Amino acid sequence: KAGVTQTPRYLIKTRGQQVTLSCSPISGHRSVSWYQQTPGQGLQFLFEYFSETQRNKGNFPGRFSGRQFSNSRSEMNVSTLELGDSALYLCASSDSGREETQYFGPGTRLLVL
Amino acid sequence: AQTVTQSQPEMSVQEAETVTLSCTYDTSESDYYLFWYKQPPSRQMILVIRQEAYKQQNATENRFSVNFQKAAKSFSLKISDSQLGDAAMYFCAYCSNDYKLSFGAGTTVTVRA
Repeated sequence: KAGVTQTPRYLIKTRGQQVTLSCSPISGHRSVSWYQQTPGQGLQFLFEYFSETQRNKGNFPGRFSGRQFSNSRSEMNVSTLELGDSALYLCASSDSGREETQYFGPGTRLLVL
Repeated sequence: AQTVTQSQPEMSVQEAETVTLSCTYDTSESDYYLFWYKQPPSRQMILVIRQEAYKQQNATENRFSVNFQKAAKSFSLKISDSQLGDAAMYFCAYCSNDYKLSFGAGTTVTVRA
């Protein structure tokens, strides 16, 4: 099976803009989770979707949002970008009944100028 | 929120030797999962090993094995016969039934030829 894919791989934006990141899970996986990785804060959980419903959300401001489509593909959106949003955004997918075992994509590197 | 602590920021090992990475965690749950992930310079997070808390037997995956001490809330990773390709950042992670991975700060492993 193909692994988790994320697009784009790299992105440069300016403060105040918004950005949409995409994630395609492993075929058959219905759960998709998003994480932010920064040098200062490490890896932090953003949110998790299952069957188009957000089941869990981390401690991030409302500028961070996401959604999941019927084919399990997921997008996350960050509005009104701030310099501190510069990070590696990782998407992970997992199989039904084994949602704790998450397989990660290559990530999207976002740089906010 | 669960806390995962990796007390070794860096470890160095000679090729073909063994290295052990430490991880402790804090939880009041009795049922949970623990993981070790590897993140090489490519930044792709790779699942190395998975441990179910209700299983007393330590997990093993080829040259990778864990020492799971539930009462002590300790979960160390042993890499045997270290290879140059093992050089990476290693993250210990905890997950309970909310499917949110909580990560430690990571340990950078360098392998000397």
